[in-house]
Amino acid sequence: DTGVSQDPRHKITKRGQNVTFRCDPISEHNRLYWYRQTLGQGPEFLTYFQNEAQLEKSRLLSDRFSAERPKGSFSTLEIQRTEQGDSAMYLCASSPGTGLSPLHFGNGTRLTVT
Amino acid sequence: SQQGEEDPQALSIQEGENATMNCSYKTSINNLQWYRQNSGRGLVHLILIRSNEREKHSGRLRVTLDTSKKSSSLLITASRAADTASYFCATDSGGYNKLIFGAGTRLAVHP
Repeated sequence: DTGVSQDPRHKITKRGQNVTFRCDPISEHNRLYWYRQTLGQGPEFLTYFQNEAQLEKSRLLSDRFSAERPKGSFSTLEIQRTEQGDSAMYLCASSPGTGLSPLHFGNGTRLTVT
Repeated sequence: SQQGEEDPQALSIQEGENATMNCSYKTSINNLQWYRQNSGRGLVHLILIRSNEREKHSGRLRVTLDTSKKSSSLLITASRAADTASYFCATDSGGYNKLIFGAGTRLAVHP
């Protein structure tokens, strides 16, 4: 169990640029989640995958955001035309596909939009 | 939107003291979980309590759940400086273990 891996750890970008983050979940985990966390707040749910299928997207995920999980393995989260309000920590988590189980989080990607 | 609300928002104690954090939520749940987050890091799962359980222990942690009041508490006994972190409660929503987190309690334990 190597844990959930996220890349990059930090990203600084200028407003209007596109950014892409990657998440590698624990290998046997079917479920993958993306959350966003701003300073002093708890994580906010963005989207969820069961294997390669994206089953839910939050209203927070505007049309500038897109997430994929090809082949049910790693996932990418892309933000197009970034805005300063997109500055946050983006957290990925995974869990096994059955029953009640805790989420295993990566250490996140800290995005700063200047 | 965030379902759980933690109280207090911040807590400062001395090593050896007990720390109690409370969480309230709005809708019915299947389970409630507590997580810990060190600054700049991801969240780490601490304990899961099912809706039909009233109390659960794990080491120095004790969690209670009162579904009639839609509230939970996390007690950390004999706190240590290493317990300094933010603590979040999270409730499930939907059939696939999607968790909704509260805003957290920031705990500072002073040596």
